[in-house]
Amino acid sequence: AQSVTQLGSHVSVSEGALVLLRCNYSSSVPPYLFWYVQYPNQGLQLLLKYTSAATLVKGINGFEAEFKKSETSFHLTKPSAHMSDAAEYFCAVSEGTGNQFYFGTGTSLTVIP
Amino acid sequence: DSGVTQTPKHLITATGQRVTLRCSPRSGDLSVYWYQQSLDQGLQFLIQYYNGEERAKGNILERFSAQQFPDLHSELNLSSLELGDSALYFCASSRRAGGYEQYFGPGTRLTVT
Repeated sequence: AQSVTQLGSHVSVSEGALVLLRCNYSSSVPPYLFWYVQYPNQGLQLLLKYTSAATLVKGINGFEAEFKKSETSFHLTKPSAHMSDAAEYFCAVSEGTGNQFYFGTGTSLTVIP
Repeated sequence: DSGVTQTPKHLITATGQRVTLRCSPRSGDLSVYWYQQSLDQGLQFLIQYYNGEERAKGNILERFSAQQFPDLHSELNLSSLELGDSALYFCASSRRAGGYEQYFGPGTRLTVT
């Protein structure tokens, strides 16, 4: 069975500081991993995805995530937070073709000026 | 713009009523997913269709049903509505079933009074 755990339902960072949003997954096979962002009153937008190529994945808006199999983690980072990064972030896992997505509970990011 | 369209954008109805939410996937996408998002429950997977066939079921109530038509658009029917059904309902589509990134529509905000 698959599951996704996002540690910290709320994270606050200062503008210009490092953003680190944590995601751990459980999967019995090599997973497909995704990060989505949701701005207020909008749908989810794909930030980046890992599909067994490079372990460090670069996404949009300066975000990147690293797949660490030994830690079953896929944490999302951005070197310098911007006010526009304030949003809800969701991690998701899929075990590959033919299977559904499993979303984490989300992390709300607040950026303090 | 993800290419996924949902109508209507807002819906206000009374308890006990029935509503239909509509979703048109991105061009070329065969799989459609429905999600419910509320403050207390977070993002909940409801159901997935692939090329007209039901593929996976999540936390979908018996009062809810869905279908995917030959032209690949999908409808989510919600009946005997209760106050607790008030939520954002998202449709997402992907190229195939599972493993592939999902693209989300802007959502339908349902308010049951």
